[in-house]
Amino acid sequence: AQSVTQLGSHVSVSEGALVLLRCNYSSSVPPYLFWYVQYPNQGLQLLLKYTSAATLVKGINDFEAEFKKSETSFHLTKPSAHMSDAAEYFCAVTESGAGSYQLTFGKGTKLSVIP
Amino acid sequence: KAGVTQTPRYLIKTRGQQVTLSCSPISGHRSVSWYQQTPGQGLQFLFEYFSETQRNKGNFPGRFSGRQFSNSRSEMNVSTLELGDSALYLCASTERDSYEQYFGPGTRLTVT
Repeated sequence: AQSVTQLGSHVSVSEGALVLLRCNYSSSVPPYLFWYVQYPNQGLQLLLKYTSAATLVKGINDFEAEFKKSETSFHLTKPSAHMSDAAEYFCAVTESGAGSYQLTFGKGTKLSVIP
Repeated sequence: KAGVTQTPRYLIKTRGQQVTLSCSPISGHRSVSWYQQTPGQGLQFLFEYFSETQRNKGNFPGRFSGRQFSNSRSEMNVSTLELGDSALYLCASTERDSYEQYFGPGTRLTVT
């Protein structure tokens, strides 16, 4: 069974500050990992994915994440927060080669950006 | 390419009724997955269809069912609605072997 833990249901940062959203996963097989963003009343938008290539993954809007197998982590970072980054962020995992694309999501982290 | 579309966007139903939600995937995507999103339980996997076959199912009661048509469009049905079924229902489509799921805007179901 796989699971995802996102530390901090709510994170506040100042505009221009570093954004760090934490994600730890549990998986019995090599995982594929994803970060999604959700704006109010919208669906989920894929920010980036890790599928066993480079451990440092770059995504859209200057977001990036690093896969650390020893720490079972996949934290999301952005060097400088913009007001438009205020949204809810979800980390998700799926099992590679499982014959299904089912995603298991964390509970989400709501990011607030203070002007 | 057009994105994933879901209809209707909003629905209000009464307890005991049934409802059908529709999802049209991105052209060429043969996998469609459904998720339920609630404030309490978060995002939970309902089921996945690939080439008209259900190949995975989440831990939901039998009142929740789905199907996929030959053009990859998918529907999900919930019978005998309960108040707890009020949620945002999200559909996602996946291009084979990419593992990237592209989500639609969702259908907001309210059960009164």
